[in-house]
Amino acid sequence: SQQGEEDPQALSIQEGENATMNCSYKTSINNLQWYRQNSGRGLVHLILIRSNEREKHSGRLRVTLDTSKKSSSLLITASRAADTASYFCATDAEGAQKLVFGQGTRLTINP
Amino acid sequence: EPEVTQTPSHQVTQMGQEVILRCVPISNHLYFYWYRQILGQKVEFLVSFYNNEISEKSEIFDDQFSVERPDGSNFTLKIRSTKLEDSAMYFCASSEFGTGITEAFFGQGTRLTVV
Repeated sequence: SQQGEEDPQALSIQEGENATMNCSYKTSINNLQWYRQNSGRGLVHLILIRSNEREKHSGRLRVTLDTSKKSSSLLITASRAADTASYFCATDAEGAQKLVFGQGTRLTINP
Repeated sequence: EPEVTQTPSHQVTQMGQEVILRCVPISNHLYFYWYRQILGQKVEFLVSFYNNEISEKSEIFDDQFSVERPDGSNFTLKIRSTKLEDSAMYFCASSEFGTGITEAFFGQGTRLTVV
């Protein structure tokens, strides 16, 4: 199975703090993507990191990728109440036209 | 900003009925996908579509499911005879090239409720 697994499953922090979510996967990948999902809504693409990249930034988001450990992390700095959502990592499979999603981390930002 | 649009946003159907979920992918994208998410569970891949044919499908995508690109803009998912367990949020996605190269952008989803 190529399933990604996020850790932790749920995270609750105070506004202004940093939030770190981790993702592990099992097989070789071309890239890893992170998505956000507000409750009952669609998936919003956040960032794509390629297998030959180690770190990528987008605004308050920082993503790292360690292909030797088959893991990635998403850091949200200076969190805001609007960041409350579920966050998913998704990996592509080499040669396959599909993304495999993890279970997600439910992030709650307390005002 | 271009986006993937899905209709309807919510559909309720009787068990055994056929449903068609509609999607308009981003216009210059070449790859199209359907995923589903049962309430409280992870997002699951159903099918990918490229060059007017299915390029990959999951075990979930059995003979009850079909996809079609009836014209240059729409991409549809048909469930022939719905079951209670088909109740889920269905997401359409598209990418300019394959998911090994470019981002996949998702629509807002269609919540299907089978009663």
